[in-house]
This record gives sequence, structure tokens and C-alpha cells, in this order.
Amino acid sequence: QVQLEQSGAEVKKPGASVTVSCKASGYSFSTYYMHWVRQAPGQGLEWMGIIDPRGGRTTYAQKFQGRLTVTRDTSTSTVYMELSSLKSEDTAIYYCARDRGGDCCDPWGQGTLVTVSS
Amino acid sequence: DIQMTQSPSSLSASVGDRVTITCRASQGIRDGLGWYQQKPGKAPKRLIYAASSLQSGVPSRFSGSGSGTEFTLTISSLQPEDFATYFCLQHNSYPITFGQGTRLEIK
Repeated sequence: QVQLEQSGAEVKKPGASVTVSCKASGYSFSTYYMHWVRQAPGQGLEWMGIIDPRGGRTTYAQKFQGRLTVTRDTSTSTVYMELSSLKSEDTAIYYCARDRGGDCCDPWGQGTLVTVSS
Repeated sequence: DIQMTQSPSSLSASVGDRVTITCRASQGIRDGLGWYQQKPGKAPKRLIYAASSLQSGVPSRFSGSGSGTEFTLTISSLQPEDFATYFCLQHNSYPITFGQGTRLEIK
């Protein structure tokens, strides 16, 4: 079955960068786009960006322009989300979620907690 | 950006009750809306896609309706496992945006 397996929790200091991975299995990796979404503690969900695994083309939410980089490795069916210049407000659970031909999003990865603290 | 206004923000109900949750879009999104269930510490699970299509494996007590700017999720007869948070997601245009969520609690 389709599965998205994310990397483990991270603790980072303000100003640092973090990279979260999302390994896909159970389907043809290059066929479906992948989204990144985050959820701060006790808050709602926030869309960050999307990547087309076939060519690597990305679209980012304006809020994250300049700080967010999403890449992919087709040889390992893995998508990476790097967020730089971290602030305490970036403390959140980060999810990858598969797009289905313009239909977001199913399934989701299990989530990765990123804590930003000095 | 399209704003999604979800109501109510919380809801107390009993097993067997019928409940309805609403999402309103700030502009038309055709049928580009999904409904999700999220339990504490778990990833969201999609229940409804394309506004009214039932996700495979989801019980038929869940249903969705609407198009354009107003959408509803209905649970026809609440079961104990349905007490969770529900949210809507619009994907008609970027950025994808979400409703604020509805916390469904046991009365």
C-alpha cells in the first residue's frame, strides 16, 4: 500500500536549518506531486509548498519564499524539505502528503516534530 | 488567498447523534475540497474528496456535500471512534488553505 515514512524528530537552535525527509513506497514516485504542510502546537494547518518529483519543479507559499527548499531524489523515492533561518515560531509538526493529480492530499506521512529552542 | 471559515469550532455530541460541520470559502472553489479526521498524535486521514466522494475504506455514515463556496460534512450516526478533530482543505488554487478545525467531543 502507499506509505510515506518521515524522518525523526529534530531539535534546532534559532538561526539553524533543518531537513526533514519523506520516503515514498507503494506507488510510482515520479507520478504524483508531494506537498509539505505544518501544524504548530495547538494551531491549524499551514501549507508550505509542493514539488513535482518528475522534474523537480517547486511552488512555495509566499510566506516561506527564500527560507524553504524542497528537493527530491528519484533513486530513493525520497522528498526533502529544508527550512532555514529557524525561529521559535517554526516549532511544529511537519507533514508530507501526496497529491493525486491535482487533488490534495492523501495519504500523509506520520509527521516530524521540529522544535526550535535556544 | 482563499479563506476557509469552518464552523463550529467545537461540538459536543452523543453516540448515535447526527452532526454537521460547515466550511465556507471566501471565493468559489468548485468541488476542490476535502474533509479530514485527525486524532491526537496522528496524521490526518481523508474522509471525503472532491467535496462529496467517499474515500475508499471510510464508513458510509460520513458524507459530504456542497460546491462553490459552501460545504458540509455530515456524520449520520456518531460512533465512539468518531470523536476527533475534523478539518476541511481547499485545493482549487494555491496556496492550499485549511479550515480552522472542529473538535468533536463526547457529551
